[in-house]
Amino acid sequence: RKEVEQDPGPFNVPEGATVAFNCTYSNSASQSFFWYRQDCRKEPKLLMSVYSSGNEDGRFTAQLNRASQYISLLIRDSKLSDSATYLCVVRKQEYGNKLVFGAGTILRVKS
Amino acid sequence: NAGVTQTPKFRVLKTGQSMTLLCAQDMNHEYMYWYRQDPGMGLRLIHYSVGEGTTAKGEVPDGYNVSRLKKQNFLLGLESAAPSQTSVYFCASNRPGNTIYFGEGSWLTVV
Repeated sequence: RKEVEQDPGPFNVPEGATVAFNCTYSNSASQSFFWYRQDCRKEPKLLMSVYSSGNEDGRFTAQLNRASQYISLLIRDSKLSDSATYLCVVRKQEYGNKLVFGAGTILRVKS
Repeated sequence: NAGVTQTPKFRVLKTGQSMTLLCAQDMNHEYMYWYRQDPGMGLRLIHYSVGEGTTAKGEVPDGYNVSRLKKQNFLLGLESAAPSQTSVYFCASNRPGNTIYFGEGSWLTVV
């Protein structure tokens, strides 16, 4: 079983739609949680950190459920520019703050 | 501000050839990492370094060697390239506990 699992998609949605991505992680020692965005043939970039209390950044909302080892990302009012691969990432306090990446979920927003 | 720079960006190697990927960061970061990204697999950690003169193995270190002779540089070597090493390689760096920054990637094909 992969340490971080995501639905690969693709999710094809119209502009303005709300879309939700889910992620599960297997290692309860995971300490920090993130969503990264990766555009085609580009490097991953941090989208947002994920906190147990839930956090929001504009149209993006992230949630963490430590008991269920589950992370989510909600995107409201999707834009064409949101089309990308979204990577669920967890960090463990070993290997020099090692990041463990999910394989990513592809989002395609269409007009 | 260059951030994290990788060279070369593209390379085609024949099986058995050797090569070195160079990663340079100008942010005075202590930690540096080499990841590889393959379809459906997510990014996987090859080797990492927590400071000048130190290196350690990640998840998939076989077939690779690294060196960190200067704080700003982290070299990834392939001594005898194999087709299984065809991948996209990302270098990254950070200060402990802080955001990780990635280079733009190096596309390597071994034929």
